[in-house]
Amino acid sequence: EAGVAQSPRYKIIEKRQSVAFWCNPISGHATLYWYQQILGQGPKLLIQFQNNGVVDDSQLPKDRFSAERLKGVDSTLKIQPAKLEDSAVYLCASSERLSRGLQETQYFGPGTRLLVL
Amino acid sequence: GIQVEQSPPDLILQEGANSTLRCNFSDSVNNLQWFHQNPWGQLINLFYIPSGTKQNGRLSATTVATERYSLLYISSSQTTDSGVYFCAVKARTGANNLFFGTGTRLTVIP
Repeated sequence: EAGVAQSPRYKIIEKRQSVAFWCNPISGHATLYWYQQILGQGPKLLIQFQNNGVVDDSQLPKDRFSAERLKGVDSTLKIQPAKLEDSAVYLCASSERLSRGLQETQYFGPGTRLLVL
Repeated sequence: GIQVEQSPPDLILQEGANSTLRCNFSDSVNNLQWFHQNPWGQLINLFYIPSGTKQNGRLSATTVATERYSLLYISSSQTTDSGVYFCAVKARTGANNLFFGTGTRLTVIP
């Protein structure tokens, strides 16, 4: 079974530029998550989708971050414009569905490491 | 939101030694997962364990939900066990998402 795929793996941009990340979850997984992991910290949830609907985006800085999951499969996360403090690893995860039990086990992709100069 | 504290923050072991990592949380949970983040950044799910005890090879985990803590045991450690171990929990009430602790960085030396 293929895991969660993400691209690009690395990205270096200057502040005020735009950047987009792509995620393809495990086939059949209804729930998709985007996390931000700053160096030395645990991942922090930015947004979670159930199919193509947003379940929770309370921690997404909506003035500069946006995400979509068209057709309930792939997802993109965009930052526009980027700030220095956005330098982090952006992790995508998926789970079978948002519910109690084993189906909520989350599987993570390799992440995209972003450096904003 | 729920608070998640992990201890110790750093741990250095000789290969073959055993260790116990602890996760304390501030509220009742219905989801608790242990993850290993390897030196290349990949997060691997080790256990889904909101209560009880599970074992997988050299690793085992116990969650005592009523006392709001979980333990991860690593026996006969190997250099490949190095990395950061995260505990993540979802509160029974409130926000319906996982909150991660700050992790325990484990270094196993040969």
